[in-house]
Amino acid sequence: DTAVSQTPKYLVTQMGNDKSIKCEQNLGHDTMYWYKQDSKKFLKIMFSYNNKELIINETVPNRFSPKSPDKAHLNLHINSLELGDSAVYFCASSQGLAGGAETQYFGPGTRLLVL
Amino acid sequence: DQQVKQNSPSLSVQEGRISILNCDYTNSMFDYFLWYKKYPAEGPTFLISISSIKDKNEDGRFTVFLNKSAKHLSLHIVPSQPGDSAVYFCAASAVYSGGGADGLTFGKGTHLIIQP
Repeated sequence: DTAVSQTPKYLVTQMGNDKSIKCEQNLGHDTMYWYKQDSKKFLKIMFSYNNKELIINETVPNRFSPKSPDKAHLNLHINSLELGDSAVYFCASSQGLAGGAETQYFGPGTRLLVL
Repeated sequence: DQQVKQNSPSLSVQEGRISILNCDYTNSMFDYFLWYKKYPAEGPTFLISISSIKDKNEDGRFTVFLNKSAKHLSLHIVPSQPGDSAVYFCAASAVYSGGGADGLTFGKGTHLIIQP
C-alpha cells in the first residue's frame, strides 16, 4: 500500500507545452513538498504546503504552480515547459507538527523530459 | 553554495565490513539531520535521523554520529550487506523560531557499493 504516490512516473513532452504532475499521500500528514533533482543529482526543495496553505516557495520560476485541493494531494502544474525543466520531480510529505524538525517521506519520482 | 556536503561520490566496501559515510554542513542553524537511501528509479527512503541534542542514534545495523562542533555527521553500517548498495543522501533541516515545516537541504549523495 503506497504511502506517497505520484503520477505519471515518466513524462516526455515538447517545449512550450503545459503539464501537470499529481501527488497523493495516504499517511494522514499535514505537510507536503515538491523537490527537484537536476542533472547534477542535487535534490532541492521547491514548495511546501501545510494544510493546503503555501509555506515555502523557493526561487522557482512562476511557470511552476503548486495546487493543493486537500491536504492529501499536492499537484504541480508547469506552464510553457523549457528544456531546463527536464529533471526528476519528487513529492514528499511529513506530519507537519509544530517545531519543523521531522522526517519526510518521498514518492517514487516523476521523470520529466522536455524535448 | 552547498550547505550540506558529501565529499565522496562513491565508496566501495566488502560485504561484512563496516561502511562509513560522511557528511559535513556549514549552516549552524541546522538542528535535525537525516540519512536517506535511494535505489535507481525510486524515491529516497528514510533510514535514520538524529537531532542536535544527541550525538549518537542507533537503529539495528545503522548508527549515525553527530559532531556539532565540527559540523560533521557520519553513518555507520555494520555489517554491510549486498542490499545496502545504493546512493545515500545526507539531509538537514532548521527549525524556524516559530515552528513550522521546513524543506530539507540535501547533500549530493554517496554511491555505496558492497562487494561480495
